[in-house]
Amino acid sequence: GAGVSQTPSNKVTEKGKYVELRCDPISGHTALYWYRQSLGQGPEFLIYFQGTGAADDSGLPNDRFFAVRPEGSVSTLKIQRTERGDSAMYLCASSSTGSSEQFFGPGTRLTVL
Amino acid sequence: DAKTTQPPSMDCAEGRAANLPCNHSTISGNEYVYWYRQIHSQGPQYIIHGLKNNETNEMASLIITEDRKSSTLILPHATLRDTAVYYCIVRAFGTNAGKSTFGDGTTLTVKP
Repeated sequence: GAGVSQTPSNKVTEKGKYVELRCDPISGHTALYWYRQSLGQGPEFLIYFQGTGAADDSGLPNDRFFAVRPEGSVSTLKIQRTERGDSAMYLCASSSTGSSEQFFGPGTRLTVL
Repeated sequence: DAKTTQPPSMDCAEGRAANLPCNHSTISGNEYVYWYRQIHSQGPQYIIHGLKNNETNEMASLIITEDRKSSTLILPHATLRDTAVYYCIVRAFGTNAGKSTFGDGTTLTVKP
């Protein structure tokens, strides 16, 4: 079946612009996670949804970052007033009820010029 | 989540077993050990997980010490396609387990 998909695969933007990154989890998966990965480092947790609600947003670095999952399926990570330091790979993962195995998408490579 | 410690890099000859160690000395009783790998420019891929017993699947074996403070991922016959960054993490089991805390992993290079 289809895995986790993320769009776009690459996003280049200018400093100060607004960007949205989309994640389509595996159908039926209730939990959805966003991570950010800088070059040469492991993924860093940003936010975790259980259904429509954010169960843990402790990893969001500041109020420029926001994520939604209005219908409990697709999620959008929103970054306002982008900075060069936001450049990274943004990864999304999902997991099903009763399982903690996380299935990761291919990521969105964000470059802020 | 407990912190894990892994060597930054390892080499392995093609066809030989690759043994990747991980220390997790502060693991809690309800935390499992998970292994993922990440091939360049792709998202992490689940390999295997375990609580206290050794586990084996089609990809790898996981050996967890009796005190659960360390584990070893074994790729029995490494191929060039196994070259990747391997992450060991510990987290509670279940849907509400929440985030995974990744370290910097071990870069495994399989050489011909």
